[in-house]
This record gives sequence, C-alpha cells and structure tokens, in this order.
Amino acid sequence: DSGVTQTPKHLITATGQRVTLRCSPRSGDLSVYWYQQSLDQGLQFLIQYYNGEERAKGNILERFSAQQFPDLHSELNLSSLELGDSALYFCASSVGLTGNGYTFGSGTRLTVV
Amino acid sequence: GENVEQHPSTLSVQEGDSAVIKCTYSDSASNYFPWYKQELGKRPQLIIDIRSNVGEKKDQRIAVTLNKTAKHFSLHITETQPEDSAVYFCAAQEYSGGGADGLTFGKGTHLIIQP
Repeated sequence: DSGVTQTPKHLITATGQRVTLRCSPRSGDLSVYWYQQSLDQGLQFLIQYYNGEERAKGNILERFSAQQFPDLHSELNLSSLELGDSALYFCASSVGLTGNGYTFGSGTRLTVV
Repeated sequence: GENVEQHPSTLSVQEGDSAVIKCTYSDSASNYFPWYKQELGKRPQLIIDIRSNVGEKKDQRIAVTLNKTAKHFSLHITETQPEDSAVYFCAAQEYSGGGADGLTFGKGTHLIIQP
C-alpha cells in the first residue's frame, strides 16, 4: 500500500457523461498530481495542486477540471466524456512543491462506452 | 516543453545478463531524472532517481548514469532476475525553488527476462 488512495478502482460510463475521480494523498503530503495513462499517449501529466492551490498544468483538456480541498484530498472531474478518454488515471502525492520521489496511487481505470 | 525519448520499446534479455535502457531529453533546464517500474495492472513505482549535479548513482543491481552535455540518461540493471520483468519509464523534470512542472515521461520499455 503506497498510502495514496484512489477511488473508485474501476468506472464504466457512457459517452457524454461526467465522472469524478477521488484521491487522498499520503499523510503529510501537500502536493497532489494527476496523470493519465493510455496505450497511445503513455503517461501524461495533467495538473498539480499544492495545499489547495493549482501550481502546474500539463496536457489537461478543457473538459477536465480538478480541485484540492482543505483536507488535501483532490478530485478530478471529467465531463462530456469521449471514447478516447478511456484510460488509467493516476494520482500521486509528495511533501513539497517538486515531484522528487513522489508516490503513485493504484489508479482508476475509466472505460467510456 | 520537455520531450523525452526512450529506447528500446521492448528489450528481451537472458536471466543473469545485463539490461540497458536509454533516454534523451530536450530541455536543458531539466534537472531531475527518475526511473519508474510498472508491473502489469499496477502503479508505477520509483526505483531510482538522479539529479543533474550527479553523473552516476547506484543502488544494488540498479544504476543510472546522466550525461548533461548530451542530454541523455540510462538505466542499467545487472544480474537480471525474472522479477525484473516489467515496463520501465524514464522521466525528466525541471524544478526550482518555486516549484516544478509535472514529470515528462518516456513511452516506456517492456523488459522481458528470459529464463
């Protein structure tokens, strides 16, 4: 167990729908990162939050948004889902602002049908 | 932005032999280079990392080398064992006192250890 908790583990939904993925970081970690892993794009950085504030943005689509709450858990919201959004979504956390040595959660497998 | 190229995409070696995976990066400002191992259906796990002020780092059977001038870094696994079979990802990141962007990953190398 990495200490980073992601729920749900699996999610199947239809095109056009909206889903929310949840991540609880390791105890003491202030940064949360979201990554998307697909066969064709590999592991891609989406967005980072640090202590409730957005700190860095990667290849995140406008249909996707995220936030980090006062208790430091984070949610990734995916809307107007398309077949191509099917992927593994990983959350990772670290103590500080940089990703040095951060730990991944077990991921949420999203299938859009 | 940063671009990381990783080779080979698949590597098959005999158990006990060495394996080498190579990565190149494009952004000379990158200064942190981790390697992750991902087994099928599981999360990526950090196995070793190196910062730009160091040329080489070793941890038991695993070593990483960095050539800043050429902008490439490599993972070396010696005395390979069946449990080394997995997908390995290299990554690069620029960080400063104010923080960093996310990691930019290579496409991965599927390492197969033949018994």
